[in-house]
Amino acid sequence: EPEVTQTPSHQVTQMGQEVILRCVPISNHLYFYWYRQILGQKVEFLVSFYNNEISEKSEIFDDQFSVERPDGSNFTLKIRSTKLEDSAMYFCASSEEGQAYNEQFFGPGTRLTVL
Amino acid sequence: RKEVEQDPGPFNVPEGATVAFNCTYSNSASQSFFWYRQDCRKEPKLLMSVYSSGNEDGRFTAQLNRASQYISLLIRDSKLSDSATYLCVVNIPRGGNKLTFGTGTQLKVEL
Repeated sequence: EPEVTQTPSHQVTQMGQEVILRCVPISNHLYFYWYRQILGQKVEFLVSFYNNEISEKSEIFDDQFSVERPDGSNFTLKIRSTKLEDSAMYFCASSEEGQAYNEQFFGPGTRLTVL
Repeated sequence: RKEVEQDPGPFNVPEGATVAFNCTYSNSASQSFFWYRQDCRKEPKLLMSVYSSGNEDGRFTAQLNRASQYISLLIRDSKLSDSATYLCVVNIPRGGNKLTFGTGTQLKVEL
């Protein structure tokens, strides 16, 4: 069964450093998403991406964040200058199409720890 | 008011019990509704979509009441393996297909 993969599974970084979280969506999917979950809290939407453009972003997704699809398979989330409060689980997701009823498939997540 | 509201639990039930979870959502423009399951420190996985007519998948039954902005999930004959957090999720189509999650209801099924 095709699945979304993410690397690394755990990233530890110092405050102020840049991190890049990587995702490989399911191959025939066209819509890509990043969500995050701070420990003990709910899953929160960060950004959606289609046709090499951001479709929607949340208030969390400020200028410190960026997304990119550098090639035909990878989808990355970059945090330019990490803060302590960026520590969270970051989930990538993809869907075949962009309708509201389409299932979004989630990757296993990257746990980001900012020290 | 929270966009999606759930009782966090935990619900501790014996194996074989029937348990029901409820969820309310605040935005009447919400178009699609889901229950996701999340195991500890794992990714959310779709359990089932929720339709206005109600739908059933084995031991799981989901109901939607648009007028009351209320969603429910019923689990019959609960198994130990049902222990997880159940996330109520809505989609308000605004161009980005963003999912809005509730905080989740924790279920513990015990022997």
